Amino acid sequence: EPEVTQTPSHQVTQMGQEVILRCVPISNHLYFYWYRQILGQKVEFLVSFYNNEISEKSEIFDDQFSVERPDGSNFTLKIRSTKLEDSAMYFCASSERVGTGELFFGEGSRLTVL
Amino acid sequence: AQSVTQPDIHITVSEGASLELRCNYSYGATPYLFWYVQSPGQGLQLLLKYFSGDTLVQGIKGFEAEFKRSQSSFNLRKPSVHWSDAAEYFCATGGGSNYKLTFGKGTLLTVNP
Repeated sequence: EPEVTQTPSHQVTQMGQEVILRCVPISNHLYFYWYRQILGQKVEFLVSFYNNEISEKSEIFDDQFSVERPDGSNFTLKIRSTKLEDSAMYFCASSERVGTGELFFGEGSRLTVL
Repeated sequence: AQSVTQPDIHITVSEGASLELRCNYSYGATPYLFWYVQSPGQGLQLLLKYFSGDTLVQGIKGFEAEFKRSQSSFNLRKPSVHWSDAAEYFCATGGGSNYKLTFGKGTLLTVNP
C-alpha cells in the first residue's frame, strides 16, 4: 500500500540552527501539507502546497518556515533558525485532491530543540 | 472559524466493552468530519469520514460514527473494543478549497484486559 514517508524520525538540534525535514508523498498525489503537534497539544495545520506554490498557510508559518518541492518526489519543510518552541512532532501529509479527498499522513518527524 | 472539541482527554475501557468517543464541532456550513487514529510511534490513520448523505458512517476496524447536526456532534463508536484499539483518537473537521483540517486535542484510549 502506498504511504507517505518522512525523514528523519527524530532530530535534535541547537537553538538557532537550521533544520530540514523531508517527506516523500504518495506518488500520484497533488496536494501536500505539513502539520505539527506540540507535546500535549492539538495537531495544527502549518501549510498546504499545490502546483509548486503555497496554497494556504497558518499564522504559525512565519518567515522562519519555508517549504519546497525540489524534485518530483520530495517535499521539504525548512526551519531557518530554530527556537525552543519549535520542538514538536511534524507530520507530512498528501492527498490526491481537495474537497473530498483523504489526507494520508506520514509517521512524523520529532524535532527537539535544545 | 472551525473548531473541534473532544471533551474526554483519556478513556479507559475493558476489552470487549463498547466504546463511544465524543466529538463536537463548530463550522458554519455543512462540515466534512473525520476520525483519525494514532497508534504509538505511528502516523495518523483515517478511520472514517463524513461528507454528506447517510449520517451513520462505517469505517475501518469495526468503527462507526454518527453525524448529528442538531447536536453538532460526530461521536465515534465501536460495539466491542479489542486490546489493539488502544491508541489516541482525533476528531477533525475540514472543507473548502484547500482542505485544511482542524483537529481536536485527541482522546487517549486505554484498554484493560
